Amino acid sequence: KAGVTQTPRYLIKTRGQQVTLSCSPISGHRSVSWYQQTPGQGLQFLFEYFSETQRNKGNFPGRFSGRQFSNSRSEMNVSTLELGDSALYLCASSDPGQLSYEQYFGPGTRLTVT
Amino acid sequence: KNQVEQSPQSLIILEGKNCTLQCNYTVSPFSNLRWYKQDTGRGPVSLTIMTFSENTKSNGRYTATLDADTKQSSLHITASQLSDSASYICVVSKAGNNRKLIWGLGTSLAVNP
Repeated sequence: KAGVTQTPRYLIKTRGQQVTLSCSPISGHRSVSWYQQTPGQGLQFLFEYFSETQRNKGNFPGRFSGRQFSNSRSEMNVSTLELGDSALYLCASSDPGQLSYEQYFGPGTRLTVT
Repeated sequence: KNQVEQSPQSLIILEGKNCTLQCNYTVSPFSNLRWYKQDTGRGPVSLTIMTFSENTKSNGRYTATLDADTKQSSLHITASQLSDSASYICVVSKAGNNRKLIWGLGTSLAVNP
């Protein structure tokens, strides 16, 4: 099976702009989670989607939003970018039917806001 | 408060040596504990997952232990290699429908020749 893919891998944006990141989960996985990772902060949970519905949400402002399509692919959008949004954004897919609920991560999108 | 604390924050060892990383948690109710390896600029990769009833699990040169009574876990790396240089993250999953994950900040390991 192909792994989790994320596009683009690198992105440079200017403050005030918006950005959309994409994630394609492992075939058959219907749950997609998004994380923000910055140096010294560890992975911060953004939200989780399952069957096109947001199931969990972290403590991020409303500028961060997401959605999931019928084929389980997911997009994350950040509006009105701030310098502090510069981070590695990771997507993880999982099969909720698994008892361990293991998450499989993509390579991430490195976002730089200038 | 649900927390996962890892120590040390960073570690430098020589190639071929062993090392042990620690993870203490206060997450309740507990479902499982995972160790991930994350190379710089890449996504985390799962090393082990342990449930309440498991106290040891190995994955090659990686051996994780879990003491559910004291809420402590350790990851032991045997005969380290240069490729072991990475961040090692401990994650505890809460039991329940949401299966919330509580992430540690990780231990940064550098293996020098």
